[in-house]
Amino acid sequence: KQEVTQIPAALSVPEGENLVLNCSFTDSAIYNLQWFRQDPGKGLTSLLLIQSSQREQTSGRLNASLDKSSGRSTLYIAASQPGDSATYLCAVRGEGYQKVTFGIGTKLQVIP
Amino acid sequence: NAGVMQNPRHLVRRRGQEARLRCSPMKGHSHVYWYRQLPEEGLKFMVYLQKENIIDESGMPKERFSAEFPKEGPSILRIQQVVRGDSAAYFCASSLDLSSGANVLTFGAGSRLTVL
Repeated sequence: KQEVTQIPAALSVPEGENLVLNCSFTDSAIYNLQWFRQDPGKGLTSLLLIQSSQREQTSGRLNASLDKSSGRSTLYIAASQPGDSATYLCAVRGEGYQKVTFGIGTKLQVIP
Repeated sequence: NAGVMQNPRHLVRRRGQEARLRCSPMKGHSHVYWYRQLPEEGLKFMVYLQKENIIDESGMPKERFSAEFPKEGPSILRIQQVVRGDSAAYFCASSLDLSSGANVLTFGAGSRLTVL
């Protein structure tokens, strides 16, 4: 059974700081890993998807890395802004019938 | 492409009533996932369906909850005889029928159920 863990559970940083969010998973037989953002009371917005054959993906100030063999991914946010405040969720799609398992998320607050 | 459409967005039911939540996946998507999110908690997997088939319902409570994804029409999550503990946001997501790492999961805006 796949288990996904995200550390830290919550993070508060001053505006402009670079930060790293961590995600670990127990079963390395995955198709991909996807990072999402969720604003309070809203749905999930996809940020980045990394395929199992890839090491990293970048979009603007976001960079996600994947180390499949060790079961880890990181989401790097450069020059954080107050608008980045949200909960960030990591989701792993397993091989086979492709069940997608989520971590509990990291709640980020960027202070102006 | 209208994305994943969920309705209703908000639903209020009294204890003992039935709740029906609908999800229309993105055009061309044949995989549907339902998740439940309690306040201040993470997303909990409920059920994974393909057209006319339940692939994995290991996250669904054994009683009162059921899901379907018929050949025509939206996927339905049905909760019978609702209780206050069923109050939550229910999210639907869809993806392609593609055994590929490029298979992106796309979410709807969610249906928020309140049980009085």
